[in-house]
Amino acid sequence: EAQVTQNPRYLITVTGKKLTVTCSQNMNHEYMSWYRQDPGLGLRQIYYSMNVEVTDKGDVPEGYKVSRKEKRNFPLILESPSPNQTSLYFCASSLKGTGSYEQYFGPGTRLTVT
Amino acid sequence: AQSVTQPDIHITVSEGASLELRCNYSYGATPYLFWYVQSPGQGLQLLLKYFSGDTLVQGIKGFEAEFKRSQSSFNLRKPSVHWSDAAEYFCASGYSTLTFGKGTMLLVSP
Repeated sequence: EAQVTQNPRYLITVTGKKLTVTCSQNMNHEYMSWYRQDPGLGLRQIYYSMNVEVTDKGDVPEGYKVSRKEKRNFPLILESPSPNQTSLYFCASSLKGTGSYEQYFGPGTRLTVT
Repeated sequence: AQSVTQPDIHITVSEGASLELRCNYSYGATPYLFWYVQSPGQGLQLLLKYFSGDTLVQGIKGFEAEFKRSQSSFNLRKPSVHWSDAAEYFCASGYSTLTFGKGTMLLVSP
């Protein structure tokens, strides 16, 4: 089944403790992206990757890191999480990095930073 | 900067009634336009998309949307709402990256 998977689905952590949220897709997509969703703000893009080893900042990149060493994986790293990063995070992928291609979304990761 | 506006935060519609969700975009040229739906606890699912051509596009689950260049709008419609349509709806636009609106929560009353 074609899908985008994220792990973990739920995570509660403390301020300053490094964490990684994994994202993997099995559709051989070139483009991958991370969003955060907050009430009343919709989805905001954190980082995106047009292909392996090519990443770029989205609208809200502060406090996040990403890497794209393999085509299928696009982990999101929070090196020193803070409470304002408590949010619902979505990974998405599409065949190519142009808007004409549908983005497929993962199920989301709900992160709480205390 | 590119922006997408969904003026209605919440909308309540009676089951069987028609639905229209509003979306306005701000962009230098006609971007690609999308409507996504998010059911509670779920990810986003694409309902429909517009790139060019016929300004009335059909999507899944009986939804359609009309692109109006003069109004910079891409409103989502459904002639008869079902209780299962209760969800949050997001309009999005862009080229290489998507800009999302803040969403409209649809409530369906019996």
